[in-house]
Amino acid sequence: AQSVTQLGSHVSVSEGALVLLRCNYSSSVPPYLFWYVQYPNQGLQLLLKYTSAATLVKGINGFEAEFKKSETSFHLTKPSAHMSDAAEYFCAVSDTSNTGKLIFGQGTTLQVKP
Amino acid sequence: DTGVSQDPRHKITKRGQNVTFRCDPISEHNRLYWYRQTLGQGPEFLTYFQNEAQLEKSRLLSDRFSAERPKGSFSTLEIQRTEQGDSAMYLCASSLVGGQGLSPLHFGNGTRLTVT
Repeated sequence: AQSVTQLGSHVSVSEGALVLLRCNYSSSVPPYLFWYVQYPNQGLQLLLKYTSAATLVKGINGFEAEFKKSETSFHLTKPSAHMSDAAEYFCAVSDTSNTGKLIFGQGTTLQVKP
Repeated sequence: DTGVSQDPRHKITKRGQNVTFRCDPISEHNRLYWYRQTLGQGPEFLTYFQNEAQLEKSRLLSDRFSAERPKGSFSTLEIQRTEQGDSAMYLCASSLVGGQGLSPLHFGNGTRLTVT
């Protein structure tokens, strides 16, 4: 069965510092992987997706993620954190069947300190 | 593209009452998903539709829960005889499946249910 593990439920960085949010997946087939962001009392917004093309995926708001098959990882990075990046971030893997269903990790709350 | 719309945004109800939520997907999207999210957790899949057909239901969806998408457009999620454990954010998402494959899920802002 597909699963996602996000290491670290809370990450705190200073404004301007590197953001690194970790995600490891388990999948019996080549996965489709996603990162979503959720601001308080809102739904989820797609940041980026990996669908077996380039292993380095660029998303919105300066975020990018690298698919590493050997490490079963899909970590999210941003070179310089901005106060507006403070939110909850979810990594997700698509279901192996053709349902389009996503299986989410438990989320990582990013705090950005001034 | 007006996005996925959910109504109401917040619902407070007493234990034992029935509640119904509505989701309007992006107009050209043929798939619609319902998820539940409890505090500090990622969203959990409940059910999904392709057009008007409900194709899968999670075991999380007890017999007190029912979802419909009667004309393949908007969807409703009803919870009967609510329990305090039903308190959560209920998220709706839609996507388009077709010749180009499957588009990513687009989420609404959710309905937050509080059962007192």
